[in-house]
Amino acid sequence: TQLLEQSPQFLSIQEGENLTVYCNSSSVFSSLQWYRQEPGEGPVLLVTVVTGGEVKKLKRLTFQFGDARKDSSLHITAAQPGDTGLYLCAGGGGGSNYKLTFGKGTLLTVNP
Amino acid sequence: NAGVTQTPKFRILKIGQSMTLQCAQDMNHNYMYWYRQDPGMGLKLIYYSVGAGITDKGEVPNGYNVSRSTTEDFPLRLELAAPSQTSVYFCASSYGGVARETQYFGPGTRLLVL
Repeated sequence: TQLLEQSPQFLSIQEGENLTVYCNSSSVFSSLQWYRQEPGEGPVLLVTVVTGGEVKKLKRLTFQFGDARKDSSLHITAAQPGDTGLYLCAGGGGGSNYKLTFGKGTLLTVNP
Repeated sequence: NAGVTQTPKFRILKIGQSMTLQCAQDMNHNYMYWYRQDPGMGLKLIYYSVGAGITDKGEVPNGYNVSRSTTEDFPLRLELAAPSQTSVYFCASSYGGVARETQYFGPGTRLLVL
């Protein structure tokens, strides 16, 4: 069974601060996705990374896939209250395995 | 496009009752999924479907059943509801059959079993 461990589980910061969220596994994944979920809504995809060492940027968010494709990180620069939400990482198997393994999530609160 | 829609938004069931959670998508996606989300536990796959008439079990299928008679609809049936089925249920769909595809989620159904 593939497992994804996310840390920290909870994070409360002030507006303008930087933060990093981690997603780690002992298993290799063919792809890694990050979703953000707001209260009362379903998760929404932020990014997909598929190559070891890949870095993708989405405005103030930077996503990195580890060289060995076992871990990933999400870095937010100058956090804003609108970044508040549950951040979920999800790993995908290779080939025709379309099922995702989700981490338990990091609940981020950005205070004004 | 409405995307993925789910009904009802919220439901209270008594132990032993049954109900069907509805899910529909208008994106012509072949792949559809049912997840449950418990506090602090992430998303667990209950059942999935790769096309009309084809379904298979996910990680936590016990106590649930599904059917897929059309591309658009993927209802989840709970038989003999138990308190352990109290959760938030999400339906999702994707176009392709590889994990890197985007999964589009519905707004969820919050179920309380008392």
